[in-house]
Amino acid sequence: AQSVTQLDSQVPVFEEAPVELRCNYSSSVSVYLFWYVQYPNQGLQLLLKYLSGSTLVKGINGFEAEFNKSQTSFHLRKPSVHISDTAEYFCAVSGLGGSQGNLIFGKGTKLSVKP
Amino acid sequence: KAGVTQTPRYLIKTRGQQVTLSCSPISGHRSVSWYQQTPGQGLQFLFEYFSETQRNKGNFPGRFSGRQFSNSRSEMNVSTLELGDSALYLCASSIRQGGGNTEAFFGQGTRLTVV
Repeated sequence: AQSVTQLDSQVPVFEEAPVELRCNYSSSVSVYLFWYVQYPNQGLQLLLKYLSGSTLVKGINGFEAEFNKSQTSFHLRKPSVHISDTAEYFCAVSGLGGSQGNLIFGKGTKLSVKP
Repeated sequence: KAGVTQTPRYLIKTRGQQVTLSCSPISGHRSVSWYQQTPGQGLQFLFEYFSETQRNKGNFPGRFSGRQFSNSRSEMNVSTLELGDSALYLCASSIRQGGGNTEAFFGQGTRLTVV
């Protein structure tokens, strides 16, 4: 079984400042890792994913994440945030097994970007 | 390419009634998963269908059921509605290559309110 912990429920930050949203996971098997963003009254949009290969993954809107297997972490970063980045961000894992196609989500981190 | 379409967007039902939600996946996607999102429990996996067969199921009571049609469209049904079933219900479609879920695309969700 897998689990995901997002260490911060809310992160306030000023516009143009850097931000890091933290995510740790637990799994007895290899996993795929994802970050999704959700704007109010919307579904989830994929920001980036780690399947294999390079541990530094670049996504849309200037976001990137680094997979750290030894620390079982997949933290999301952006060097300079904009007001439009205000949203809720979800880290998720999916097992590689045939019966594990579903995503396990963290509780989410609400990013609030202030002018 | 059209995205994942969920209908209706909003629903208000009375306790004890039943409800059916619909999801049309992206063309060519054969896997459809359903998730429930609430402020208290976050995003929880309901079930996954692939090629008209339920492949994976979350920890929800039998009042929650689903099905998938030959064109990959899916419906989920909730019978004997309870106040706690009020939530945003999200549908996700994916190609579902091999064992793992390499990328899921979400619809905008159906907001169900039980009164």
